[in-house]
Amino acid sequence: NAGVTQTPKFQVLKTGQSMTLQCAQDMNHEYMSWYRQDPGMGLRLIHYSVGAGITDQGEVPNGYNVSRSTTEDFPLRLLSAAPSQTSVYFCASSENTEAFFGQGTRLTVV
Amino acid sequence: AQSVTQPDIHITVSEGASLELRCNYSYGATPYLFWYVQSPGQGLQLLLKYFSGDTLVQGIKGFEAEFKRSQSSFNLRKPSVHWSDAAEYFCAARSQAGTALIFGKGTTLSVSS
Repeated sequence: NAGVTQTPKFQVLKTGQSMTLQCAQDMNHEYMSWYRQDPGMGLRLIHYSVGAGITDQGEVPNGYNVSRSTTEDFPLRLLSAAPSQTSVYFCASSENTEAFFGQGTRLTVV
Repeated sequence: AQSVTQPDIHITVSEGASLELRCNYSYGATPYLFWYVQSPGQGLQLLLKYFSGDTLVQGIKGFEAEFKRSQSSFNLRKPSVHWSDAAEYFCAARSQAGTALIFGKGTTLSVSS
């Protein structure tokens, strides 16, 4: 049982480039979410989804786009990367009582 | 607005000493409460959770937490800290009707020998 799988683990982007962070879960959870972690800021919610075809914004959604075409996958898109998006990104998949986190993607925008 | 506060940014404890990490929440109704631990360069691991019932919750690795409604607190404790407990600890909350976890900013625990 793989749980929540994030790819890639590390990425360096140039300012203005686009990329997609992948997140997949095999637990058949309806709820999935993306967080970013910055020093001293904890984890802040970017976007979340309560099921296929349904997404909504979290606390810090600007500069990010999501879609949810299947229950398993919840990709996070950066359309035009900025240095302020340098961070560690975590995807989570939740049932009613517990959230399961991926191992994170460390993104650097230069 | 819903929020979770961890008042201590960094705590240093001697190995073998007891530990208490503080967490306060601000929600309209009692939320579900969680403690996570993150070792350097790693993901988040759930230590324990509280939904209802007994206010003293036992978790993994010898940790426990006590829910106090009157103080809106959910403090994490361990009677004897080991060097391997050095990590960052996050308190989180979720409303019973909601789905999004709100995290505190974390407390970094250092263990001295």
